[in-house]
Amino acid sequence: DAGVTQSPTHLIKTRGQQVTLRCSPISGHKSVSWYQQVLGQGPQFIFQYYEKEERGRGNFPDRFSARQFPNYSSELNVNALLLGDSALYLCASSREGQGRTEAFFGQGTRLTVV
Amino acid sequence: AQKVTQAQTEISVVEKEDVTLDCVYETRDTTYYLFWYKQPPSGELVFLIRRNSFDEQNEISGRYSWNFQKSTSSFNFTITASQVVDSAVYFCALSEAQDSNYQLIWGAGTKLIIKP
Repeated sequence: DAGVTQSPTHLIKTRGQQVTLRCSPISGHKSVSWYQQVLGQGPQFIFQYYEKEERGRGNFPDRFSARQFPNYSSELNVNALLLGDSALYLCASSREGQGRTEAFFGQGTRLTVV
Repeated sequence: AQKVTQAQTEISVVEKEDVTLDCVYETRDTTYYLFWYKQPPSGELVFLIRRNSFDEQNEISGRYSWNFQKSTSSFNFTITASQVVDSAVYFCALSEAQDSNYQLIWGAGTKLIIKP
């Protein structure tokens, strides 16, 4: 079975632009979560979706939004990019809600804002 | 508020030495879950173990072992006979049953360097 896949793997954007990151969970997993990881720090929770509904939201501005599709894949959108948005964005899938069962992570999307 | 502290920023040992990574957590919840993940240079977080708050049994998996002590709010991770392939950043994380966000709270990570 394929693991969690994220696309693209690397991305360079200019300040003020918008970006969409994509994630495909492991087959059978209904929960997808997004995390931001700045270099040298632990991941920070952004969103969790379960059965296409938002289940949780971290302390991120409204410029960050996400959605989950009927096939359980997910997109993370970031508008009006700032230099501080440069980070590794990680997607995790799990069978149930994140934190109740083990989460499996993708390789991440490295976003650089210039 | 929930918090995870990994006080060791970086540890460097010679191959075959044993090494312990410390994790201390704070929570007001009586039901919670603790995790360890490994992040090699490739960036992908690899799940190692999940433990719930009602299971204080220590666990051993090959060269890996975990010591969960509720009395000291610690969930330490030991690698026996370390190998160069163990070099990575290791994260400890916490999830509370009453957290409606269902989020994982992460420590800052410990960078482990195993020298040949």
